[in-house]
Amino acid sequence: EAGVAQSPRYKIIEKRQSVAFWCNPISGHATLYWYQQILGQGPKLLIQFQNNGVVDDSQLPKDRFSAERLKGVDSTLKIQPAKLEDSAVYLCASSKGGTGHTGELFFGEGSRLTVL
Amino acid sequence: AQSVTQLGSHVSVSEGALVLLRCNYSSSVPPYLFWYVQYPNQGLQLLLKYTSAATLVKGINGFEAEFKKSETSFHLTKPSAHMSDAAEYFCAVTPTSGTYKYIFGTGTRLKVLA
Repeated sequence: EAGVAQSPRYKIIEKRQSVAFWCNPISGHATLYWYQQILGQGPKLLIQFQNNGVVDDSQLPKDRFSAERLKGVDSTLKIQPAKLEDSAVYLCASSKGGTGHTGELFFGEGSRLTVL
Repeated sequence: AQSVTQLGSHVSVSEGALVLLRCNYSSSVPPYLFWYVQYPNQGLQLLLKYTSAATLVKGINGFEAEFKKSETSFHLTKPSAHMSDAAEYFCAVTPTSGTYKYIFGTGTRLKVLA
């Protein structure tokens, strides 16, 4: 079974530029999460999708961050314009969700963003 | 609201010594609890999970954790540390139903000394 795929693995941009990250979850997983992990901290939830609907985006800085999950499969997270404090690893995770959910999140390897 | 507290951002043990990483949770509803491990430049990998079955949970790589409701704790242990256990460990909590919003602790970096 293929795992959660993310790209790019690394990205360096100047502040005020834009960047986009892509995630392909495990096949059949209804729930998709984007987390932000700043160096030395635990993952912080940015947005949670159930199929192609948003379940929770309460911690997403909506003035600069946006995310979509078209057709309930792949997802894209965009930052525009980037700030220095956006430097972090962006982790995508997926889970089965719904009835029979075992509770486990499956993570991708992350996309490391450096904003100069 | 749910939360997780990990005591000790850095823990050092000698190779072969007991590993104990502490996690306390706060939840108004019955939770699922997890321990994840993260190696450098990698995503998080599940070590073990508590999903309201047995309170003593065994995971991969010889780790285990015990759910203690009276103490609201879910500490991670391993009898004998190995050099390969050096990594960052995260405790996480989520409700057992609903939207499955996972909350992670701040992490504990484990260092294993030769």
